[in-house]
Amino acid sequence: KAGVTQTPRYLIKTRGQQVTLSCSPISGHRSVSWYQQTPGQGLQFLFEYFSETQRNKGNFPGRFSGRQFSNSRSEMNVSTLELGDSALYLCASSLAPGGGTEAFFGQGTRLTVV
Amino acid sequence: GIQVEQSPPDLILQEGANSTLRCNFSDSVNNLQWFHQNPWGQLINLFYIPSGTKQNGRLSATTVATERYSLLYISSSQTTDSGVYFCAVEPGNQFYFGTGTSLTVIP
Repeated sequence: KAGVTQTPRYLIKTRGQQVTLSCSPISGHRSVSWYQQTPGQGLQFLFEYFSETQRNKGNFPGRFSGRQFSNSRSEMNVSTLELGDSALYLCASSLAPGGGTEAFFGQGTRLTVV
Repeated sequence: GIQVEQSPPDLILQEGANSTLRCNFSDSVNNLQWFHQNPWGQLINLFYIPSGTKQNGRLSATTVATERYSLLYISSSQTTDSGVYFCAVEPGNQFYFGTGTSLTVIP
């Protein structure tokens, strides 16, 4: 079966712009989480969605937001981009939240802010 | 949040050698997974192992949840094993990642 699909794979944006990233989870998976990876901070949790509801949010400013649709696909949005937002954004899907099932990651979206 | 420490941070091996990567974590968890990050950034699942021992070919892993550590064993290493290995633990709300072990296997 198909894995976790993230689009786009690469993105270059200018400071001040906004960006939307998409994540389609594995069929049947209803929990989607987002992570940011940078060389300086490593992998950090952004937020988690389950059944269209945000269950948990990491320590990121309000410029970072997300949502989940009824088909479990998720989007994250970053407004007023800053140079420091340049990162690899990874999405994970699992059957349910809470850690009781295995999570699978997509290939990521590499965002460069210039 | 939970602290996750991985050791060693860097490892250089001759092809054919064996290695052990360690992950220590500071609190009880519901989930522990080992990943290999490929050169394009994707985290490839190696093991879902909140407790016990599992083996998959040349790789095996053991988690001792009561003592809060996990070990990843790589036997007869190959150049394709090179990359960064991450341990991630989930207490129930999010993954906490270690800083990874960067493995280089030399022919």
